Amino acid sequence: RKEVEQDPGPFNVPEGATVAFNCTYSNSASQSFFWYRQDCRKEPKLLMSVYSSGNEDGRFTAQLNRASQYISLLIRDSKLSDSATYLCVVRLNDYKLSFGAGTTVTVRA
Amino acid sequence: DAGVIQSPRHEVTEMGQEVTLRCKPISGHDYLFWYRQTMMRGLELLIYFNNNVPIDDSGMPEDRFSAKMPNASFSTLKIQPSEPRDSAVYFCASRPSGRSRAGELFFGEGSRLTVL
Repeated sequence: RKEVEQDPGPFNVPEGATVAFNCTYSNSASQSFFWYRQDCRKEPKLLMSVYSSGNEDGRFTAQLNRASQYISLLIRDSKLSDSATYLCVVRLNDYKLSFGAGTTVTVRA
Repeated sequence: DAGVIQSPRHEVTEMGQEVTLRCKPISGHDYLFWYRQTMMRGLELLIYFNNNVPIDDSGMPEDRFSAKMPNASFSTLKIQPSEPRDSAVYFCASRPSGRSRAGELFFGEGSRLTVL
């Protein structure tokens, strides 16, 4: 079983729509969680950390459910520039991050 | 500020040839990571260094792969001999010390390797 699993998508949404997707992780001892964004043929970049109580960063909302071992990302009022692959990342120990394969989001005009 | 710098950006080589990928981490970052990304396997950690010392190389696929970090500002990943299945994008990433920043990796733009 993979350490981090994501629905690859793609999620095709119109501008202004809300899109949400999850990822699940297998190691219950995972310590912290993140979402990274990767544009086509570019490097991954940290989008936001995911806190136990849930957190927002502008139009982005991340939530964590430790009991069910999943993390979610919600994007409100989607922009064309939100088109990217979103990588779910789990920190397993002080040094190791495990990356999901990514969920592709395409926002259309 | 300069980010993580990788070279070459693209490399096309023939099977059996030696490939050397280079990375300059962000100044002051104590951790350096080498990742490989393919469509099939996603992002895989190959090896990471802390203060220039290799800590975990369990992700290195086989003896054909080796990595060094002779000083705090330079690392290499070498493949010898290269094989077509090594074709991938190789990312170098660095991060500062501190557990609170353990999830904050700064990636280079990657080296896209094609082995024919």
